[in-house]
Amino acid sequence: KAGVTQTPRYLIKTRGQQVTLSCSPISGHRSVSWYQQTPGQGLQFLFEYFSETQRNKGNFPGRFSGRQFSNSRSEMNVSTLELGDSALYLCASSSTQNTEAFFGQGTRLTVV
Amino acid sequence: EDQVTQSPEALRLQEGESSSLNCSYTVSGLRGLFWYRQDPGKGPEFLFTLYSAGEEKEKERLKATLTKKESFLHITAPKPEDSATYLCAVPNSGGYQKVTFGIGTKLQVIP
Repeated sequence: KAGVTQTPRYLIKTRGQQVTLSCSPISGHRSVSWYQQTPGQGLQFLFEYFSETQRNKGNFPGRFSGRQFSNSRSEMNVSTLELGDSALYLCASSSTQNTEAFFGQGTRLTVV
Repeated sequence: EDQVTQSPEALRLQEGESSSLNCSYTVSGLRGLFWYRQDPGKGPEFLFTLYSAGEEKEKERLKATLTKKESFLHITAPKPEDSATYLCAVPNSGGYQKVTFGIGTKLQVIP
């Protein structure tokens, strides 16, 4: 079956702009999590959505937000971009029964 | 606060030279421990979940073990295609999908 799909794969934005990233989970998976990956900090949890509700949230500023639609697709938004937001943003999905998470290829965001 | 520490940060092996990667963790009540493999430019690929001390799981040349304070990923007779970054992670008290990852061990296997 199809894996987790993230779009776009690459983005270049200017400081102060906002950006929206998209994630389509594996069919049947209702939980979608987002992570930020940087060389210095590794993978850091942003938030998790389940059935359109945010269940968990990491320690990121309010500029980072997300939502989930009724078809389980999810979007992540970052407003007022800063240079430090440059990172690989990863989305992962899991079913309601399993603990393992399946990751997408990620969106590489560069803020200039 | 949950913490995951992986060592070494980087490891270079000759093809066929077995070794182990370490993951030590501090959590308030272990609900499991995950191992992932990540290739450059790609998302992490799930390898194993371990739930309790003494548990072991194997997949091809990889074997993961778990104690009360750490986990090991043993790589037996590695091949160049095993080169990747190996990540260890633990679920937080908020639920399985709020996960703390280690920084990873970058493994390079030389032919």
